[in-house]
Formats: sequence, C-alpha cells, structure tokens
Amino acid sequence: SQQGEEDPQALSIQEGENATMNCSYKTSINNLQWYRQNSGRGLVHLILIRSNEREKHSGRLRVTLDTSKKSSSLLITASRAADTASYFCATEVANFNKFYFGSGTKLNVKP
Amino acid sequence: DTEVTQTPKHLVMGMTNKKSLKCEQHMGHRAMYWYKQKAKKPPELMFVYSYEKLSINESVPSRFSPECPNSSLLNLHLHALQPEDSALYLCASSLSPDRLNTDTQYFGPGTRLTVL
Repeated sequence: SQQGEEDPQALSIQEGENATMNCSYKTSINNLQWYRQNSGRGLVHLILIRSNEREKHSGRLRVTLDTSKKSSSLLITASRAADTASYFCATEVANFNKFYFGSGTKLNVKP
Repeated sequence: DTEVTQTPKHLVMGMTNKKSLKCEQHMGHRAMYWYKQKAKKPPELMFVYSYEKLSINESVPSRFSPECPNSSLLNLHLHALQPEDSALYLCASSLSPDRLNTDTQYFGPGTRLTVL
C-alpha cells in the first residue's frame, strides 16, 4: 500500500465478541478515517480522528490514534453478523484532499 | 440528500470502445474524486477535482480522461482501455477542498468495469 498496512488481513469472530483492527502509516497526516465496505460495494464512512486527537467513540466503535507510532486501531464492541465487511483506514497526507487507503481487514462475524 | 450516485452500475467494453462513467452529487460538495479498486485491494486515488478544477492526477494513463462539467457532476471518459483496467471505479465527494476544513468523503456505489 502507498501509505500503510492493516492487520490482521482477516479476522473471524463469533457474534458478541469484540473485534480489533490496526492500521499503520508512513508519513505525517492531517487526519485518519475508517471506512467499511460490504462485498463489491461503495465505502461507508465510520469515523474520523484528527491528528491532535488520541481517542474517539461512535456507538460501538472506538478509534485510537498514536501519531508517535504512526498507528491507529479500530475496536468494534459486541459485534454483530451485520458487521461482516472489509474495513479500511484512510489517511490524509501532506497535501489536503489526497487520501491513501490501508490494505484492509476482512472481518467475518459468525452468528 | 447525502447520496453520491454513479452510472452505470456495470459496464463491459472492448479495447477499442469509448465509454464514460458518470458521478453525481447534490450535497454542495466542492471536492470530487475518482478511485480505482481491484479485487481484494484497497481503493487507489486517481484524480481529485477542487472547485471544478483538476488538482491532483496520480500519474494516471491518458486513456482515462476526467471531466467536471459543473459542481455536481464528475465524468470519467474511457478510451482504448486494457483488460488490466478492469476494476471497480469509485467516485467520492467531500464538502470543501479548504485546507482548514478536512471533511468526510462520501462514496458512490461504484461502476464495475470489465474490459474484454
């Protein structure tokens, strides 16, 4: 990936469990966003965290950002089968409006 | 209306054809984007339009030609494509290209392109 990697590449859990995905990036950023993509469809924005923020919550989602380690994590609590999708982080680097996506984590939540 | 629409949903074309992809939004967004996504890969930025002007071209081959006729419309003209150009083409928009105001990108559902 031009900007960074995500791990794990794939994650399979039972409904009700928590899912954690990690994103690492290479350069300084303005902000980092997380997106969800259901198979072969468009991306849905989940949450945006700015470079001066360390943690953000939205419903069952918790995002952390560590700019010193150039990494972010997405935690989905009490997962549901409907959370099954690919999750991507995207960073806005250097010039504004230029976004790079991480390699993605494919999450499978088993009912 | 918080929707980005893309047409067509699917497109099959030969290497000698000329076709166009269309993207539309009515959210008053002034930044619009084209991405290319191959199977099991992340989206890759192709072009960015800011206030209807091309501001970023990520070294995309000239067989892809973007156009932004007005603030609501974004086209991608295709000519003499190769089979390896087969992919999902995603359009996105965000409120403002202003450096001080970083915004969420809203994505369309994409056009799945197959080049024979």
